[in-house]
This record gives sequence, C-alpha cells and structure tokens, in this order.
Amino acid sequence: IAGITQAPTSQILAAGRRMTLRCTQDMRHNAMYWYRQDLGLGLRLIHYSNTAGTTGKGEVPDGYSVSRANTDDFPLTLASAVPSQTSVYFCASSELGGKNEQFFGPGTRLTVL
Amino acid sequence: DQQVKQNSPSLSVQEGRISILNCDYTNSMFDYFLWYKKYPAEGPTFLISISSIKDKNEDGRFTVFLNKSAKHLSLHIVPSQPGDSAVYFCAARISARQLTFGSGTQLTVLP
Repeated sequence: IAGITQAPTSQILAAGRRMTLRCTQDMRHNAMYWYRQDLGLGLRLIHYSNTAGTTGKGEVPDGYSVSRANTDDFPLTLASAVPSQTSVYFCASSELGGKNEQFFGPGTRLTVL
Repeated sequence: DQQVKQNSPSLSVQEGRISILNCDYTNSMFDYFLWYKKYPAEGPTFLISISSIKDKNEDGRFTVFLNKSAKHLSLHIVPSQPGDSAVYFCAARISARQLTFGSGTQLTVLP
C-alpha cells in the first residue's frame, strides 16, 4: 500500500534518553517533513528535506536532528529528550514545487517523563 | 507570531446545514492555500486548495473562498454530514517553500 509509515505508534520515554522516530515513504517523493502537533498550536515544522542528502531547519528545530540518506527514509532523532518534547509527531512527504500537497503518516505519540 | 490564524478552536453545526471554517493570514507573499482534515489518531489528509490568483475553488460539497484584500480564506461545507466531524487545518505557502499551518478548528456535525 502506497503511503507513509511511521514507527513507533507511541512511546513513553524517560527524560535524557535518546530516541529516533522512523519515517518511510514509498511514493518516491523528493521532499519530506517532520511536524509536531500540540493543542492550540497546530502543526509546526521541525525539519525538512527537499531531496536526499539535504536537510533544513523549520520553525522549531531545537533538540531535534534529521538525516536523509536516501529518498525513502527520514528519521527524526531526539538526542536527549525533555518533557517539552511530549507531542504527536507527523512525518509528511510531497513532490517539490507544484501544489506542494503533502501526504502525512499516521503519527507517533511521544511522552517524555 | 502566527502567520496563519484560525481563531475559532471549535464549531458545531447541525447535519444538513452549512459549515463555514475561517482562516486569516498576515503574509501577503503567500501564493497558495490548502485545507487539511484530520480525524483522531490519523494523520492530516489533503482536502482542497486554492491559488492566490483565484478567489474560489469548488470540489463537490467543499468550496474554498479567498479574499486577498482582507487576507482571509474560508472553507464552506454544504451540506454538512456527521462524517465531516474532524479537525480542519488551513495552511499557506510562499512559492515552492514549506507550508505554514494554522492551529486548527474542531468541527462537530450534530445528527
């Protein structure tokens, strides 16, 4: 089934631990994105990648890092998790340019204690 | 400073009536606007979009209106159905750059 998969579905994490959220797409889209969704704040862009090998910072990049070794995968890493990173994380992908319609994964619910 | 604002966190509408969801923006450089719909425990899904060179785009029960002078867009759903109950996000972009999302409006369609 074409689309975006994210893993894990949910995770409870102790503060200070390292965590990598996984994202894989099979639509061969050039661009990929990571957002966090918080109540009252909507979707905020953390990092993005316009093509394999390149990444960029979004609105709220601090405390997060990404890599884009190939077209399909775009992992998000929290090097040392803090409680303020408790959120729902969505990965998305799109073609570059055009209408920029983004396709979203099902999300990862992360709780940092 | 939020460049895309949805000032109504929630909206309740009777089944069969019109739902109107509003969105305001501050950046006049935005050239493309999109609406996304999100059900609980799922990712957002694309609903409808409009280019800044148009003032209306229609797709079935969904119509998006753009008023550039007021920096305002709205999504009309007619007739509203219980299955339309979801969170609706508006989003905007400049050229081929990243999307900026609003905070969302929870629509509840009452049977």
